[in-house]
Amino acid sequence: GQQVMQIPQYQHVQEGEDFTTYCNSSTTLSNIQWYKQRPGGHPVFLIQLVKSGEVKKQKRLTFQFGEAKKNSSLHITATQTTDVGTYFCAGRTQGGSEKLVFGKGMKLTVNP
Amino acid sequence: KAGVTQTPRYLIKTRGQQVTLSCSPISGHRSVSWYQQTPGQGLQFLFEYFSETQRNKGNFPGRFSGRQFSNSRSEMNVSTLELGDSALYLCASSLGLASSYEQYFGPGTRLTVT
Repeated sequence: GQQVMQIPQYQHVQEGEDFTTYCNSSTTLSNIQWYKQRPGGHPVFLIQLVKSGEVKKQKRLTFQFGEAKKNSSLHITATQTTDVGTYFCAGRTQGGSEKLVFGKGMKLTVNP
Repeated sequence: KAGVTQTPRYLIKTRGQQVTLSCSPISGHRSVSWYQQTPGQGLQFLFEYFSETQRNKGNFPGRFSGRQFSNSRSEMNVSTLELGDSALYLCASSLGLASSYEQYFGPGTRLTVT
């Protein structure tokens, strides 16, 4: 079945550093969503990407959908302690079921 | 606008018992999805209901069932509880099917099976 893999699973950065996390699918996706879950909280929707090669920015966060629509990336600039949490990507297979498949998440910790 | 609410927030049950969890979506949202979250497995999709019909189902045994009422409120039932069912159960609502619309998650129900 469809799988969505997130790399890396854990990321520890120094405050102020930039970093990128990736989401890879075994099949072509019709769209991809990103969520953030703070420690002790629930997932919160960040963004949805639909078009091939699409890039969207939210302040220090930049989201990109790959040209082949099989991968996506989240780049965070000048990481802050408020960025701490687990980031999930979720995708729907193109032409397949309506099911949204979540990756296992990327847990980010920040050293102040 | 009120957010997604889930009741109860915490629950302790014994192996073999059954449990019913409730979810009230955001007003106007017609889709409700349920997820199981455990430290090792991340967010695992249970099922999605849209307009009282189950539209999608994850890979969980038949002990896990759900339903949606005409007011979009949803319930999830787990029968014959096992220790491995201990988890945070999250529901999420969206305007349309979750695969195309942003989901709003509730705070979750923390189920402990002893």
